[in-house]
Amino acid sequence: DQQVKQNSPSLSVQEGRISILNCDYTNSMFDYFLWYKKYPAEGPTFLISISSIKDKNEDGRFTVFLNKSAKHLSLHIVPSQPGDSAVYFCAGRTGANNLFFGTGTRLTVIP
Amino acid sequence: DTAVSQTPKYLVTQMGNDKSIKCEQNLGHDTMYWYKQDSKKFLKIMFSYNNKELIINETVPNRFSPKSPDKAHLNLHINSLELGDSAVYFCASSQSRYNEQFFGPGTRLTVL
Repeated sequence: DQQVKQNSPSLSVQEGRISILNCDYTNSMFDYFLWYKKYPAEGPTFLISISSIKDKNEDGRFTVFLNKSAKHLSLHIVPSQPGDSAVYFCAGRTGANNLFFGTGTRLTVIP
Repeated sequence: DTAVSQTPKYLVTQMGNDKSIKCEQNLGHDTMYWYKQDSKKFLKIMFSYNNKELIINETVPNRFSPKSPDKAHLNLHINSLELGDSAVYFCASSQSRYNEQFFGPGTRLTVL
C-alpha cells in the first residue's frame, strides 16, 4: 500500500534550466510533505517541506508546490546545478512524524 | 562530526543467524527511527522511539527488536535472518516527534 508515489524514476536536465520533480499521494491525513535528497552511499538529507495548509514554500533555488485537490506536489529547482544531481524522495507525514516515502526520482543535471 | 552514525556500514551473513546494527546520534534528539529500504528503493518506517519508549511499530516481524539503552542510541537486533531481510537499513533522529528527521548513512545487509 504505497501512499506516496513518484512515477518518474529519472530526470535529466541541462545546467541552468528548471528541474521539476513530481509526487502524488493518496492519504488525505498527511499534515506535512517533505522532500529529501540522497547521494550514493549516504542517508537522505532534508531539503524542504510544506504544510498541508499551504500551497507554496520557497527556499532559495528550491520551491515546493502543493495541490491538495489533485493530491499532487512538485519540487522546482531553478537554476539547476550539477551538484543537484542526486535521488530526490518525496514524503508525506502523519501527526506522529511517521514518514511515508515515495520511491525516488534520480535527477541528473548535465553541465 | 557525524550527526547520526551507524555500524557496520556493510553486513553479510548467513540465513538463520542473529545480527545487530548500531545507531548513535550526537544531536541531543529525543526521537529515533529505523527505516528499511528494499530492493525496489521503497523506504519504509519500521520503528520509532521517543525518549526510549516505542511509539511506532509498523508491521514488522517480531524477529526485529529495537533496543534503546539511552536517548542517543537505538540499536536494531534481528533474529533468525531470512533472505528477504536483505536491504539497506537507515537510522534517523529528530528533535521531537514533530521535527525533520536526520538520517544516518545506512547499513547494507545481505543475507546469503
